[in-house]
Amino acid sequence: KNEVEQSPQNLTAQEGEFITINCSYSVGISALHWLQQHPGGGIVSLFMLSSGKKKHGRLIATINIQEKHSSLHITASHPRDSAVYICAVSNFGNEKLTFGTGTRLTIIP
Amino acid sequence: DTAVSQTPKYLVTQMGNDKSIKCEQNLGHDTMYWYKQDSKKFLKIMFSYNNKELIINETVPNRFSPKSPDKAHLNLHINSLELGDSAVYFCASSQDRWGTDTQYFGPGTRLTVL
Repeated sequence: KNEVEQSPQNLTAQEGEFITINCSYSVGISALHWLQQHPGGGIVSLFMLSSGKKKHGRLIATINIQEKHSSLHITASHPRDSAVYICAVSNFGNEKLTFGTGTRLTIIP
Repeated sequence: DTAVSQTPKYLVTQMGNDKSIKCEQNLGHDTMYWYKQDSKKFLKIMFSYNNKELIINETVPNRFSPKSPDKAHLNLHINSLELGDSAVYFCASSQDRWGTDTQYFGPGTRLTVL
């Protein structure tokens, strides 16, 4: 069973700050997903990665397979980035995603 | 044009009733999922279908019965609703069944059992 842990659970920052959210997992994975859930409730997939680094606008996701760790970075944070960020992993041979408990990010203007 | 749609968005009902939630995707994906999100925002897989075949049934009470009439639709029927069933239910779809492809989520159905 793969446990997925995220840190921090809650994060409040000022607009413009550089944000890092961490995700650790316990066993080998085939892919790791970062999801965003806005206060309105909808869930959007931000990234899916199995190695290296991906960038989309101000968001960057990295993964270190050896250390079983991924980070989601937000540069020049903005109040509209306020949301819950969820990490999820899929294991080899397992057809389901296991989710972390989420990180609630609040960006203050 | 909505990729994954669910109806209804809100569902308020009494304990003991039977209710259904419908999901449709127009992405041409082969795999569809039902997830439950509890009050602490924790997501958990309930069911997954690939080309109308049930592939994941994750220790869900048998009061919950999914049905996939075709690969674009996955419905969830719940019998004898209980207070603990109150949650947000999300439908999702993806092209592959292994969790190695982007998943697209519906808007969610907030179920409240009174």
